[in-house]
Amino acid sequence: DQQVKQNSPSLSVQEGRISILNCDYTNSMFDYFLWYKKYPAEGPTFLISISSIKDKNEDGRFTVFLNKSAKHLSLHIVPSQPGDSAVYFCAASGGYAGNNRKLIWGLGTSLAVNP
Amino acid sequence: DAGVIQSPRHEVTEMGQEVTLRCKPISGHNSLFWYRQTMMRGLELLIYFNNNVPIDDSGMPEDRFSAKMPNASFSTLKIQPSEPRDSAVYFCASSFSMSNQPQHFGDGTRLSIL
Repeated sequence: DQQVKQNSPSLSVQEGRISILNCDYTNSMFDYFLWYKKYPAEGPTFLISISSIKDKNEDGRFTVFLNKSAKHLSLHIVPSQPGDSAVYFCAASGGYAGNNRKLIWGLGTSLAVNP
Repeated sequence: DAGVIQSPRHEVTEMGQEVTLRCKPISGHNSLFWYRQTMMRGLELLIYFNNNVPIDDSGMPEDRFSAKMPNASFSTLKIQPSEPRDSAVYFCASSFSMSNQPQHFGDGTRLSIL
């Protein structure tokens, strides 16, 4: 039972355009969401997060949008660069009594940014 | 700044052997997490420690797996005896224990059990 779903295994985008990565969740108790980026042979690297009290958080070229009613979040990368090519993971936490640091992870979306 | 350090980076061993994976968390972090990544199941939390105490080990697959954190700067994940289905990449991560602090990952140990 996947509580965090990334329905697109892969995405290909031209350099300079916008990349939009999507994530859906089923547990309405989740209250904190994170995006991580992973290059081959490396561990995931924290990218950006959002609390459920917000609907948008921005950090440079990266913006995360949260739609609580739809249980959906998205990561926008503008403009996309070849160095952004990586696997992006969505993760969520919350709803675990006394244990809210447990993260539930999506399976990832592989982004390819073409020059 | 030193990140999370895992060793070894790669381990190939025969079925039935004992395997020990090691992790040094970021200095000052007091939460430590062990994950396993496979193609089919993605990233799964195996166990996590807070202030060296195991808090949630519900993800540990079976008794063949054990984890320890004898002090704030070192943790081990042991598999004994190992089986081919244990082949995966194992990640260690650490964070501050306050709510909503991001976890920082090591580069993982790629484990192959023949």
